Amino acid sequence: EAQVTQNPRYLITVTGKKLTVTCSQNMNHEYMSWYRQDPGLGLRQIYYSMNVEVTDKGDVPEGYKVSRKEKRNFPLILESPSPNQTSLYFCASSLRGSRQGRLDEQYFGPGTRLTVT
Amino acid sequence: DAKTTQPNSMESNEEEPVHLPCNHSTISGTDYIHWYRQLPSQGPEYVIHGLTSNVNNRMASLAIAEDRKSSTLILHRATLRDAAVYYCILRDVGGNYGGSQGNLIFGKGTKLSVKP
Repeated sequence: EAQVTQNPRYLITVTGKKLTVTCSQNMNHEYMSWYRQDPGLGLRQIYYSMNVEVTDKGDVPEGYKVSRKEKRNFPLILESPSPNQTSLYFCASSLRGSRQGRLDEQYFGPGTRLTVT
Repeated sequence: DAKTTQPNSMESNEEEPVHLPCNHSTISGTDYIHWYRQLPSQGPEYVIHGLTSNVNNRMASLAIAEDRKSSTLILHRATLRDAAVYYCILRDVGGNYGGSQGNLIFGKGTKLSVKP
């Protein structure tokens, strides 16, 4: 089954303790992206990757890192989490990373609910 | 700046058609109209997209006004499973929309409730 998976689905952690949220897709998609969703602010893009070893900042990248060493995986790293990073996180992927890829449908993972105390 | 305008909420009865409107008066010639929906406790899900002509797929139909300043997502027979927030999003092939390439800019969307 074609899907985007995220782990963990729920995480409660403390300020400053490094964590990684994994994202994996099995559709051989070039483009992958991370969003966060907050009440009243909607979904906002954190980082994206057009292909392996190609990543760039989205609208709200501060406090996050990503890597794209393999096509299928796009982990989100919080080196020193803070309470303002408490949010619902979604990973997404689409077939192409080119400009025409803006027409491609994006597939979203089930979400990771992160709480930083 | 919001590129699309949608009603905050709508209600429908089960097994009746639902017409979800979206206004995009500043749409440009290279903007495609995309619809996504987000079911409770799930990630967003692609529904449909179009440029000028009306479009149909297994999930819904998209009716685009002749001047392209508005569009309507049509669910032909609403089911309880269609209760979700529906987002109308403009995507520009020719350039970015105030964000990164591929970035979907979600507004507040329309929360659809379906009554049995």
